[in-house]
Amino acid sequence: GESVGLHLPTLSVQEGDNSIINCAYSNSASDYFIWYKQESGKGPQFIIDIRSNMDKRQGQRVTVLLNKTVKHLSLQIAATQPGDSAVYFCAENGGPREDDDYKLSFGAGTTVTVRA
Amino acid sequence: ETGVTQTPRHLVMGMTNKKSLKCEQHLGHNAMYWYKQSAKKPLELMFVYSLEERVENNSVPSRFSPECPNSSHLFLHLHTLQPEDSALYLCASSQDSARGHGYTFGSGTRLTVV
Repeated sequence: GESVGLHLPTLSVQEGDNSIINCAYSNSASDYFIWYKQESGKGPQFIIDIRSNMDKRQGQRVTVLLNKTVKHLSLQIAATQPGDSAVYFCAENGGPREDDDYKLSFGAGTTVTVRA
Repeated sequence: ETGVTQTPRHLVMGMTNKKSLKCEQHLGHNAMYWYKQSAKKPLELMFVYSLEERVENNSVPSRFSPECPNSSHLFLHLHTLQPEDSALYLCASSQDSARGHGYTFGSGTRLTVV
């Protein structure tokens, strides 16, 4: 399953299939990006990050792709499992000011539901 | 557990009440944050503290008052709130800045203002 466009709030995916969650960011000065997963009743949990000097980074069952030209970030989850059902947020960090270092700006989130 | 603990987990308060949210981190981080999470909206940054000094107040109404007595503890004091302040309030911490590190979040306090 895949979410497309600037933001698709929900994604339904069959268990075992690959998931692709997309995110468009707005700040061209952003140089660090993170994907978070938030399960019901919990705070967001770090999944994977990527710096702007890279265009791809892989983790365990997850891959993040960064396209700086079009300011687009995606998260790919391989062999989606029921435990992957959650809300996924992209976040960006960067800017010229020193206090920009502290700020993460979050997207609206995509709710992923895994069908058995 | 993430190493960031928030209490209480749930809070119901009247508009004339005064209450406080507490956050404690056991990660040795030196920056702490308050975020507000409302339904169908992105997380909103409220306050940032670095080494117990406030470095950001993101145009938050004065009915929210943060306090950071040391690098491990962060409070959010609440008074005369409005029903639209009902939300999940998330505390986070980071080692130095967020750049290159990201945040570690607590589980949040679900606040309902009646």
